[in-house]
Amino acid sequence: AQSVTQPDIHITVSEGASLELRCNYSYGATPYLFWYVQSPGQGLQLLLKYFSGDTLVQGIKGFEAEFKRSQSSFNLRKPSVHWSDAAEYFCAVGASKAAGNKLTFGGGTRVLVKP
Amino acid sequence: DAGITQSPRHKVTETGTPVTLRCHQTENHRYMYWYRQDPGHGLRLIHYSYGVKDTDKGEVSDGYSVSRSKTEDFLLTLESATSSQTSVYFCATGGDSYEQYFGPGTRLTVT
Repeated sequence: AQSVTQPDIHITVSEGASLELRCNYSYGATPYLFWYVQSPGQGLQLLLKYFSGDTLVQGIKGFEAEFKRSQSSFNLRKPSVHWSDAAEYFCAVGASKAAGNKLTFGGGTRVLVKP
Repeated sequence: DAGITQSPRHKVTETGTPVTLRCHQTENHRYMYWYRQDPGHGLRLIHYSYGVKDTDKGEVSDGYSVSRSKTEDFLLTLESATSSQTSVYFCATGGDSYEQYFGPGTRLTVT
């Protein structure tokens, strides 16, 4: 069974600074990988996804993520953080041909942005 | 967004009471999911559906049942609510591409 680990529960970053959120997954074959963002009191919104091909994927809101098979990682990055990026971020992995196209989510990383 | 609504958005109920949460989608997605979100646990899958009348259990299905009589509606029922089922419940839908789209959530409090 697949699993996802987000090692950082909380991250505090200054506005304008860069941000990197870590995600490590466990899965035997090529995974489908996702990052979601959740603002307070809201549902989850898809930021970006990786299925195959180019290992650097671009998403919405200026985010990007890099798939590194050798490290079983899919880290999320943003060069310059805005106050509106304060939210909780979830990494998720899907298994190809898994019943129901199910996803497994990490525990989340809460990002605080300092002015 | 995939046009997903959840009702009610907030509910307070007493232990032992049956509760039904509704998820409605307008995108004709094949797959529908119910998750619960609790601090420190991320999102955990309760049940999912892969078609009308086709459902299966997720990782935390005890105490919950689901039904899907139409493509657009997926109901989650707590037969006899317990305090451990106090949580925020999210519905999600998906097509064949593995992406899932989430509703706004229902905050359930069991007293």
